[in-house]
Amino acid sequence: DTAVSQTPKYLVTQMGNDKSIKCEQNLGHDTMYWYKQDSKKFLKIMFSYNNKELIINETVPNRFSPKSPDKAHLNLHINSLELGDSAVYFCASSRGGGDTQYFGPGTRLTVL
Amino acid sequence: QKEVEQDPGPLSVPEGAIVSLNCTYSNSAFQYFMWYRQYSRKGPELLMYTYSSGNKEDGRFTAQVDKSSKYISLFIRDSQPSDSATYLCATQETSGSRLTFGEGTQLTVNP
Repeated sequence: DTAVSQTPKYLVTQMGNDKSIKCEQNLGHDTMYWYKQDSKKFLKIMFSYNNKELIINETVPNRFSPKSPDKAHLNLHINSLELGDSAVYFCASSRGGGDTQYFGPGTRLTVL
Repeated sequence: QKEVEQDPGPLSVPEGAIVSLNCTYSNSAFQYFMWYRQYSRKGPELLMYTYSSGNKEDGRFTAQVDKSSKYISLFIRDSQPSDSATYLCATQETSGSRLTFGEGTQLTVNP
């Protein structure tokens, strides 16, 4: 099944914890993204990687660190989780920076 | 002020109705315009993609862009219950630059 996959689908954790979300795409794409969607459905880009290199880094707290071990994977590590980090995080990929972006199913993060 | 404004709804219509979804934007540098559809608990999927002003039609869906008034629209003809979803408009300055999304409009089509 060709797709963008994310794990875990749901993540519930306490404030102050560190957590990671994994993303993998088997579409052969060069560019991958992380988006945050808040409770009002507002979708905002956080990071973009092209061939394992960071190309977009929006104003995101340092507690968020993306890591791309290879061009098929882009993981998101979050340190010292805060209540405001609760959201749905979407990974996406595209062939190039201007091509159609394919989104993963999302990871629903709840910080208590 | 948000770069892309979209009425979040919710919008509820009867089956068969014509649906009009709209966004306005403030950045005149935007050249590429997209509509994404997002079903509940799923990721967004690209529905329509247009460059600059004009219309684009795909089946029951028509996307319109009016750059002079910075207004983008999506029309859905003969709406079906399966069209019930959140519709997000998105813009891009250049091919390859970041996407800027509207807030999304939640649409329900009632059978």
